[in-house]
Amino acid sequence: DQQVKQNSPSLSVQEGRISILNCDYTNSMFDYFLWYKKYPAEGPTFLISISSIKDKNEDGRFTVFLNKSAKHLSLHIVPSQPGDSAVYFCAAVREGGSEKLVFGKGTKLTVNP
Amino acid sequence: NAGVTQTPKFQVLKTGQSMTLQCAQDMNHEYMSWYRQDPGMGLRLIHYSVGAGITDQGEVPNGYNVSRSTTEDFPLRLLSAAPSQTSVYFCASSYSLTYTGELFFGEGSRLTVL
Repeated sequence: DQQVKQNSPSLSVQEGRISILNCDYTNSMFDYFLWYKKYPAEGPTFLISISSIKDKNEDGRFTVFLNKSAKHLSLHIVPSQPGDSAVYFCAAVREGGSEKLVFGKGTKLTVNP
Repeated sequence: NAGVTQTPKFQVLKTGQSMTLQCAQDMNHEYMSWYRQDPGMGLRLIHYSVGAGITDQGEVPNGYNVSRSTTEDFPLRLLSAAPSQTSVYFCASSYSLTYTGELFFGEGSRLTVL
């Protein structure tokens, strides 16, 4: 049973526009959420995170929104740049609990010049 | 700082052969883990360790063994390789998964089993 779901395998946007990547989770025990970015032939790198006590976290062009009641989070990239083209993974963990970070299947973002 | 170092980067095995994927980190992280990435499957946890001498299974542990004799090293062993183990393997470490959740990943090891 997939606990973290990224239902869009791919997303294509124009440079300068907003990219919105979505993630849903089923385990209500998750209380810390992260986004990772992965370029081809490289390991994933941490991008941004959010704790369940918040509903929004910003870092430059990247903002993550959390809707706990809907068990949904989203990553907004504004403005999108060609260098943002990568696979984005959503991940979740229960703080203070099991040491297992659960990843979604990823969304491949392509930003067209 | 080297971060997380994985060796080898590429390996081709025949079915039934054994091998060890090496992982070392120089950040004094207690938490280390192994993931595999397959097309359409995302990153799946194989085994993890919360400190020297402590290991536990992840989502897909079958066919793999691990040990953690030092804080720095966390090797992944394939005892009898199968074609289903063809994948890209990532080692990752963290100061504390339940504190920040931020994992530092190696560059990956691409394994092909014929």
